[in-house]
Amino acid sequence: AQRVTQPEKLLSVFKGAPVELKCNYSYSGSPELFWYVQYSRQRLQLLLRHISRESIKGFTADLNKGETSFHLKKPFAQEEDSAMYYCALVEYGNKLVFGAGTILRVKS
Amino acid sequence: DAGVIQSPRHEVTEMGQEVTLRCKPISGHNSLFWYRQTMMRGLELLIYFNNNVPIDDSGMPEDRFSAKMPNASFSTLKIQPSEPRDSAVYFCASSPAGLRAEAFFGQGTRLTVV
Repeated sequence: AQRVTQPEKLLSVFKGAPVELKCNYSYSGSPELFWYVQYSRQRLQLLLRHISRESIKGFTADLNKGETSFHLKKPFAQEEDSAMYYCALVEYGNKLVFGAGTILRVKS
Repeated sequence: DAGVIQSPRHEVTEMGQEVTLRCKPISGHNSLFWYRQTMMRGLELLIYFNNNVPIDDSGMPEDRFSAKMPNASFSTLKIQPSEPRDSAVYFCASSPAGLRAEAFFGQGTRLTVV
């Protein structure tokens, strides 16, 4: 069963437009959620984690337990944000599972 | 530390051949993960180890796939025999103990089975 769902394969926006990458999860326990990013020709790396409630590179993500969502948002997209974004969930036993990923393309 | 090291970076092999992918995790990390990345299915967890012990291999697609972690500094993923549908990028990642720990990824092995 899919535990992390990212409904969009590709999201294309213009520079300066707001961005929202969707992520929904299914987990009976208390979720530990993350966003990872893979820039072109670079390793997959952590972008942010929900527990930190931080803003990284202008991105934020809020955990909504009622809607079981952890959407990634940025008010003004930049060209350098173009990348593959993965939502991830840590389950019991430190099992790290990912969604299918969303390609963000920021057009100039 | 050079980070998680995977080898080879690229592998092209013929259908039916055995393929072995290698991973050296970051020293001191307790968990090691193997993932397969494809356009259709994204990043799939194949198997993961805690303290060198396989915890969950439910993501391994078939008996043709096997993984080992003989010690804390080395792991292998083997496909025998390989098939064209195994073509993908395979990632290894490691993380320290703890649920909130960040996972660090290798650069991946791009496998092509012809």
